[in-house]
Amino acid sequence: RKEVEQDPGPFNVPEGATVAFNCTYSNSASQSFFWYRQDCRKEPKLLMSVYSSGNEDGRFTAQLNRASQYISLLIRDSKLSDSATYLCVVDSSGNTPLVFGKGTRLSVIA
Amino acid sequence: EAGVAQSPRYKIIEKRQSVAFWCNPISGHATLYWYQQILGQGPKLLIQFQNNGVVDDSQLPKDRFSAERLKGVDSTLKIQPAKLEDSAVYLCASSLGQGGVTQYFGPGTRLLVL
Repeated sequence: RKEVEQDPGPFNVPEGATVAFNCTYSNSASQSFFWYRQDCRKEPKLLMSVYSSGNEDGRFTAQLNRASQYISLLIRDSKLSDSATYLCVVDSSGNTPLVFGKGTRLSVIA
Repeated sequence: EAGVAQSPRYKIIEKRQSVAFWCNPISGHATLYWYQQILGQGPKLLIQFQNNGVVDDSQLPKDRFSAERLKGVDSTLKIQPAKLEDSAVYLCASSLGQGGVTQYFGPGTRLLVL
């Protein structure tokens, strides 16, 4: 089982739709979780951290399920500008390196 | 605040040639990372520095890749000799600390090995 697994997509959704991505991780000792966004031919940028209690930032909601070892990202009211690749990132513990998933590609269509 | 700077932005070389990439992290960031991102993949960590010391280089192909951060600020990554499979984007990132902290990425160097 890979350390971090994501559905590569692409997810093609119309503007205004709600879309959800899941990501599973293999290391049960993992402590920190993030979603990064990467636009085409650009560098990754932090979208949001994922907290145990779940957290929301505007149209974006992140959830963590430790028992099942997955995290999710929900995007409501999709905008054309949300089109990007969303990278699931897991930090196993303390000072170990972050592990990036392959990313899920989202295309929001007018 | 200035971001992470990288140069060159693009590089085309032939296999068996050498190439070097440069990175200047955000001022005050002690931790510097070099990642390799092959098309369609997520970034893969090559090496992590804390100041001028190596924290993790377990995924660095040491027979051909080397990196240094001599003064604990900017860093260079070298490939010698390059192989076709080294074609990728090389991303540098920096962070204030280690572990679960936000990493800030540079624009990357896109390498094509012919």
